[in-house]
Amino acid sequence: EDKVVQSPLSLVVHEGDTVTLNCSYEVTNFRSLLWYKQEKKAPTFLFMLTSSGIEKKSGRLSSILDKKELFSILNITATQTGDSAIYLCAVDPIQGAQKLVFGQGTRLTINP
Amino acid sequence: DGGITQSPKYLFRKEGQNVTLSCEQNLNHDAMYWYRQDPGQGLRLIYYSQIVNDFQKGDIAEGYSVSREKKESFPLTVTSAQKNPTAFYLCASSRDFSSYEQYFGPGTRLTVT
Repeated sequence: EDKVVQSPLSLVVHEGDTVTLNCSYEVTNFRSLLWYKQEKKAPTFLFMLTSSGIEKKSGRLSSILDKKELFSILNITATQTGDSAIYLCAVDPIQGAQKLVFGQGTRLTINP
Repeated sequence: DGGITQSPKYLFRKEGQNVTLSCEQNLNHDAMYWYRQDPGQGLRLIYYSQIVNDFQKGDIAEGYSVSREKKESFPLTVTSAQKNPTAFYLCASSRDFSSYEQYFGPGTRLTVT
């Protein structure tokens, strides 16, 4: 059974701190790993990773994939209160249609 | 503005009643998806549709039904056979079924008592 596990499930830090969110996966086949940010209601797309060792970066957020060890990390530097959200990791396991398998999410809270 | 709309935002129903959740997109996307989100769990796929007039069961399809008569619309019916229907339901779409990026609607929170 395809599985995606995120850790920690919950994280509380102070504004300005740097955080690292983890996502490990076990899938029969692998095409890509995606990160989403869920504020209030709808998740919004952050990154798609397909190749090991290539960092994707967007402002203070960055992510990297390790296909040998089957995990990805999402880093957020100089955190701001607006970074408070649930961060979802999903894997596309090539089952024909794009059927993403999601992790449980990490609830990140940034305190001022 | 292009996007996905879901209605209503909150829905309350009595146990034993069927209820239909609306999902509409004007992104001209071929593929559409329904997910369920429970506290402490990731999104779980209920049904998906790769193209009009076609849909497939996801991982937790029991107690749900869908239709895809129009490209823009993918309504989800939660039937009385669904044992734990109270949840947050998210609809998503993608350009086609091979596209990586899914766009999500704002969600519907269904409470069944």
